[in-house]
Amino acid sequence: EAQVTQNPRYLITVTGKKLTVTCSQNMNHEYMSWYRQDPGLGLRQIYYSMNVEVTDKGDVPEGYKVSRKEKRNFPLILESPSPNQTSLYFCASSLLGGGETQYFGPGTRLLVL
Amino acid sequence: KNEVEQSPQNLTAQEGEFITINCSYSVGISALHWLQQHPGGGIVSLFMLSSGKKKHGRLIATINIQEKHSSLHITASHPRDSAVYICAASLSYNTDKLIFGTGTRLQVFP
Repeated sequence: EAQVTQNPRYLITVTGKKLTVTCSQNMNHEYMSWYRQDPGLGLRQIYYSMNVEVTDKGDVPEGYKVSRKEKRNFPLILESPSPNQTSLYFCASSLLGGGETQYFGPGTRLLVL
Repeated sequence: KNEVEQSPQNLTAQEGEFITINCSYSVGISALHWLQQHPGGGIVSLFMLSSGKKKHGRLIATINIQEKHSSLHITASHPRDSAVYICAASLSYNTDKLIFGTGTRLQVFP
């Protein structure tokens, strides 16, 4: 089944404790993105990747890191999480970018205390 | 002012009603996406448009490039259509840069 998976689905952590949210797709898609969703603000792009080793900042990249060492995986790293990073996070992939159908992961709900 | 604006923010309807959700954008785009987010949180792509009109079942999406406006229509609405509908503008075909509207929350009552 074609899908985007994210882990974990739910995470409670404390300020400053490094964490990684994994994202994997099995559709051989070139493009992958991370978004955060906050009430009243909608979805905002954190980072995106156009291919292996090619990444670029979205609208809200501060406090986040990404890497794309393999085509299928695009982990999101919070080196020192803070409470303002409490949010719902989505990973998405597409075959060739914004002009193609987007496939979203199920979301990761993060609470930083 | 947001680059992608949706209206209305909230919408309630009786089962069977015809529903229209609007999306206006102020930037040049290569494509416009309509997404559906169910109460459980998952997001599904409904349509990707660069011109004209697309139809899938009871859902119809249209776009007017000159007026920078898109609409999502639901015919014969049903309670299972209750969800948040989000439009997103793609700025370029060969990047993954998307700008999202804040969504329209639709509730359809039996």
